[in-house]
Amino acid sequence: DAGVIQSPRHEVTEMGQEVTLRCKPISGHNSLFWYRQTMMRGLELLIYFNNNVPIDDSGMPEDRFSAKMPNASFSTLKIQPSEPRDSAVYFCASSSRTDWNTEAFFGQGTRLTVV
Amino acid sequence: GESVGLHLPTLSVQEGDNSIINCAYSNSASDYFIWYKQESGKGPQFIIDIRSNMDKRQGQRVTVLLNKTVKHLSLQIAATQPGDSAVYFCAVTTGGGNKLTFGTGTQLKVEL
Repeated sequence: DAGVIQSPRHEVTEMGQEVTLRCKPISGHNSLFWYRQTMMRGLELLIYFNNNVPIDDSGMPEDRFSAKMPNASFSTLKIQPSEPRDSAVYFCASSSRTDWNTEAFFGQGTRLTVV
Repeated sequence: GESVGLHLPTLSVQEGDNSIINCAYSNSASDYFIWYKQESGKGPQFIIDIRSNMDKRQGQRVTVLLNKTVKHLSLQIAATQPGDSAVYFCAVTTGGGNKLTFGTGTQLKVEL
């Protein structure tokens, strides 16, 4: 398996523009997570899905952020309009709960810079 | 809510020595604990995990210890190597859920 695949790896955009981050989870995993990582706040959970349904979006900073999971193999995180303070590395992770663990596997991340 | 903290932001060790990285958590209902390693420019990578019904688990060169009484978790790395240099995070889930809450991370630096 290729693991969790995120695109793009790097994104530079101007303030006010719409940004869409993409994620393909590991095949067979039924949970998907979006995290944001900054030096100031570390790894923050933004939202997670179970079986394509959003379960907890309490970490989404504001209405400018939205996430969708139209099917089991694809998810997007959209920021509209983007602001400089959104600059961070955004990670997608997926997991498949077993009797033992709920280990999450992370993608390589998308480094977003809003200028 | 859950808060997870680490005692030291940076840990420097000599190559070949053992490393111990600590983590404190706040919620006594936390039931699953994971250590992740993050190298520069990469996503966090699973190292080892432990459930709340255990107090010790060993992997290859790594051991996780869990003290539920004081809500403390540690990662021990034996014979630390230059390739172990990274940021290490503990993460916890609570109440049987799969929502992972991460600590702030410890930077491990291995000196030759």
